[in-house]
Amino acid sequence: AQKVTQAQTEISVVEKEDVTLDCVYETRDTTYYLFWYKQPPSGELVFLIRRNSFDEQNEISGRYSWNFQKSTSSFNFTITASQVVDSAVYFCALSEAGTASKLTFGTGTRLQVTL
Amino acid sequence: DTAVSQTPKYLVTQMGNDKSIKCEQNLGHDTMYWYKQDSKKFLKIMFSYNNKELIINETVPNRFSPKSPDKAHLNLHINSLELGDSAVYFCASSQKGSNREKLFFGSGTQLSVL
Repeated sequence: AQKVTQAQTEISVVEKEDVTLDCVYETRDTTYYLFWYKQPPSGELVFLIRRNSFDEQNEISGRYSWNFQKSTSSFNFTITASQVVDSAVYFCALSEAGTASKLTFGTGTRLQVTL
Repeated sequence: DTAVSQTPKYLVTQMGNDKSIKCEQNLGHDTMYWYKQDSKKFLKIMFSYNNKELIINETVPNRFSPKSPDKAHLNLHINSLELGDSAVYFCASSQKGSNREKLFFGSGTQLSVL
């Protein structure tokens, strides 16, 4: 069975600080996909990144970066120089490769960025 | 312009009623989903349809019945609503191919059962 653990339920930082959101996953599949989604206060789910299990290269997109470590089954997300607009709930998710995307979500980490 | 649209955005109803939530996607995707987010923000898949065919049914009570008239629509009908059905319901879609696992979500329908 698949499982995604986001141990940090809530994080508060001051603007311009860097923050890392942790994600640890469990799966028996050799091919799988990892995701991060953002849920701002308005409630919609915004796709941030998808990473497949064969690609362990870290990725950077602006102030966002992701560190995929297969050896520790982790897919952590770092926001550099955080901004108030980054305040949201962030979800890590796992999907097995197959006919449809059955995403298993973590419980989310609420990030609060203050001035 | 909205890629995945759900209606209504808010739904308040009494226990025992029957209600429907509609979902439409204009992305040309072949697969659609319903996810439920509970009061603790936990997101869990309920159903998935591929080209109008049910492919995922995650042990959801049979009071919940998805209906897909065509591949651009996936509606959710709920009979005999219970207090525990109160949640935010998200519709999503994806496309076969290398981007299959990238889901596009609607903005959610907040259901409150009184």
